[in-house]
Amino acid sequence: KAGVTQTPRYLIKTRGQQVTLSCSPISGHRSVSWYQQTPGQGLQFLFEYFSETQRNKGNFPGRFSGRQFSNSRSEMNVSTLELGDSALYLCASSDANYGYTFGSGTRLTVV
Amino acid sequence: KNEVEQSPQNLTAQEGEFITINCSYSVGISALHWLQQHPGGGIVSLFMLSSGKKKHGRLIATINIQEKHSSLHITASHPRDSAVYICAVISNFGNEKLTFGTGTRLTIIP
Repeated sequence: KAGVTQTPRYLIKTRGQQVTLSCSPISGHRSVSWYQQTPGQGLQFLFEYFSETQRNKGNFPGRFSGRQFSNSRSEMNVSTLELGDSALYLCASSDANYGYTFGSGTRLTVV
Repeated sequence: KNEVEQSPQNLTAQEGEFITINCSYSVGISALHWLQQHPGGGIVSLFMLSSGKKKHGRLIATINIQEKHSSLHITASHPRDSAVYICAVISNFGNEKLTFGTGTRLTIIP
């Protein structure tokens, strides 16, 4: 069974730009969640999608958004990038029986 | 105060030693996860627990729901066990999002 695939693995963007990250979940998993990891704040929950609907949202500004498609693939978008958005962004797909499977992450650097 | 507290923050041990990492949480939960993160960032889910004890190879995870406490044990530790171990909980308020501890950085010296 293929794992969770995140693209791209690395990204460098300039302040003020926007970025879109992609996550393909494990086949059959309908829930996809996104997380931000920084040295200062650790791992923080961004949002979760289930069957194309946002089910939960963390405490992040509206510049952070996401969506899920009918094939369960998900994208997250960050607009008007700030230096503090530099982080490792992880997605995970989940199943009620087996818990979470994480992707390898996208490391975003904002310069 | 964080909802999920881990101890110790850092742990260095000799190869072969028995390792214990602790996690305490302050909310009612439906499940607790132990995660492992190696340098480079990838996270692997080790255990999902809602009660009792689970074992996988040299790893053992226990949870005491009444005391709101979980432990991760590693027997016969090996340098390849060096990683950050993260405890995460899902509260039972119906809001199914993971809340993470700050992690324990484990280094096993050969």
